[in-house]
Amino acid sequence: ETGVTQTPRHLVMGMTNKKSLKCEQHLGHNAMYWYKQSAKKPLELMFVYNFKEQTENNSVPSRFSPECPNSSHLFLHLHTLQPEDSALYLCASSQDIQPNIYGYTFGSGTRLTVV
Amino acid sequence: GENVEQHPSTLSVQEGDSAVIKCTYSDSASNYFPWYKQELGKRPQLIIDIRSNVGEKKDQRIAVTLNKTAKHFSLHITETQPEDSAVYFCAASARNEKLTFGTGTRLTIIP
Repeated sequence: ETGVTQTPRHLVMGMTNKKSLKCEQHLGHNAMYWYKQSAKKPLELMFVYNFKEQTENNSVPSRFSPECPNSSHLFLHLHTLQPEDSALYLCASSQDIQPNIYGYTFGSGTRLTVV
Repeated sequence: GENVEQHPSTLSVQEGDSAVIKCTYSDSASNYFPWYKQELGKRPQLIIDIRSNVGEKKDQRIAVTLNKTAKHFSLHITETQPEDSAVYFCAASARNEKLTFGTGTRLTIIP
């Protein structure tokens, strides 16, 4: 493990379901990110949090709702998703917004399938 | 904001040959340029990075070069091996800015 843990690893949900993705880091990092990875867009930034505050929402539909209760935890709440939302969702963290020599540390991702 | 373009999107090379992946960036204030490797089914991992005060950096078989004037940087892998097969992402960031990633290059090493 690199220090960024994502759960669950796999998730299948119906379009009317509500589910949440969880990301946890114990690296003492201050910035956390959600990325969507699909064949069309290999690393698509969704949200950025810095010191628990959302600093960027990259025009993400409202059916994705992030939550950052503290600098170590990041959630992505999902509701009424569409099949095209099926993708690998990656969480990442960094010491600060501009990464230092250690760059971003990524989690292993949650493979989401919307049926 | 920053825009990073990466080429080629796919690259196949014979084992033992060299591979080169190129990226261009738009923001002249960018000063940090990392490269990430993502093996199939795994997370992206930092493999090498370079800062704007350096023109080249090497780590065993991989090297990165930076041309600030032309705003482009490249990843060079020599003596390629099957385990080099992966998707490679370049990225750039300016001071106090987040990373902007390229669109990735799928590198296949042919045995």
